[in-house]
Amino acid sequence: GAVVSQHPSRVICKSGTSVKIECRSLDFQATTMFWYRQFPKQSLMLMATSNEGSKATYEQGVEKDKFLINHASLTLSTLTVTSAHPEDSSFYICSARRLLGDTQYFGPGTRLTVL
Amino acid sequence: DQQVKQNSPSLSVQEGRISILNCDYTNSMFDYFLWYKKYPAEGPTFLISISSIKDKNEDGRFTVFLNKSAKHLSLHIVPSQPGDSAVYFCAAFNAGGTSYGKLTFGQGTILTVHP
Repeated sequence: GAVVSQHPSRVICKSGTSVKIECRSLDFQATTMFWYRQFPKQSLMLMATSNEGSKATYEQGVEKDKFLINHASLTLSTLTVTSAHPEDSSFYICSARRLLGDTQYFGPGTRLTVL
Repeated sequence: DQQVKQNSPSLSVQEGRISILNCDYTNSMFDYFLWYKKYPAEGPTFLISISSIKDKNEDGRFTVFLNKSAKHLSLHIVPSQPGDSAVYFCAAFNAGGTSYGKLTFGQGTILTVHP
């Protein structure tokens, strides 16, 4: 099966610091990776779509300067939350897709807590 | 604007009985639908999907029904097992659109199967 990992699984940071979350496709090459966030008892909300080697496409309302996405290779995408604030505390989940038409395989998620 | 809605936040079922999870959508451009299962602090796991050219898709104990005219889909689990207890999300996207693969999720339904 297609496996997607995320690191770290949990991070606590102080307000104003930056946090990097990694998303890796372990046994396949992902042409596209997606980043979602989930607030408690709410649905997963797509933040951005990234294709390897090109700039990410952000959803309306998502600040691209705050949530920096890099998809440098076919197996790795990173999300950096810059100058994190308590309202950025959330569960961040990535997904990866091999090819157009393939299903998305989700990572286990990263719980970010900003103090 | 919630384009995919799961109006039942929770569902409780006895082991061996049928679980029926419902999902409604408003965007008529959606033509591909998926169900995901999610445990706490984990990423969603793909269960089953259906395209708009079908009205039913079956995979083992899981069957998804699609009623395009009503913009409604449902997931049937028969027989339900305690291990099925999780949060179930329906998701939809427009396979023919330029943002292929961009999933819109419902809010989720917590399924509890009692022994």
